[in-house]
Amino acid sequence: NAGVTQTPKFQVLKTGQSMTLQCAQDMNHNSMYWYRQDPGMGLRLIYYSASEGTTDKGEVPNGYNVSRLNKREFSLRLESAAPSQTSVYFCASSETVSGSYNSPLHFGNGTRLTVT
Amino acid sequence: GQQLNQSPQSMFIQEGEDVSMNCTSSSIFNTWLWYKQDPGEGPVLLIALYKAGELTSNGRLTAQFGITRKDSFLNISASIPSDVGIYFCAGFSSNTGKLIFGQGTTLQVKP
Repeated sequence: NAGVTQTPKFQVLKTGQSMTLQCAQDMNHNSMYWYRQDPGMGLRLIYYSASEGTTDKGEVPNGYNVSRLNKREFSLRLESAAPSQTSVYFCASSETVSGSYNSPLHFGNGTRLTVT
Repeated sequence: GQQLNQSPQSMFIQEGEDVSMNCTSSSIFNTWLWYKQDPGEGPVLLIALYKAGELTSNGRLTAQFGITRKDSFLNISASIPSDVGIYFCAGFSSNTGKLIFGQGTTLQVKP
């Protein structure tokens, strides 16, 4: 089983460029998430989708947009990249929203993004 | 807002030593989770705790859900080189419906 697959693995952008990070899960999970990981700050939630057809802002949504394309896929778009968006981005999924009891988060392997 | 304080930030230990790390908060949580992130990969769930006072083991790992519901600790006994990575605690609150992550503890093990 692939689990959660993220593409690309690495990306370098110039300030102002746009790009879309792709994520797909094959576990038939209802909920999907995008996190960013920065040194000393842990994992911070950018956006999440509790179920197909819904999306909600997380802790740090500014500068990002998301699309829940179908149950399997959840993409993250940077319309105009800024150096402050240099980070490692993780997609995750869970059976139901929140990742709590009996519904832990399953993470992809991350996209390492550098904005110069 | 809710915050988790995870300590220590980093540890450099000798193979065979025991390790202890903890998470504290001023807020109450209903669930505590411990994840490990291997270099270049995403975090993977190690242990989940659902009840205040609960003590749960997974091999050489032991974690406890604090009795006040505001803290949790993770112990690793007899560390080995493959224990290297970043360990994250996470707390879930049913009041807010949010899962909050700690800042992470980076563990390095010297063979």
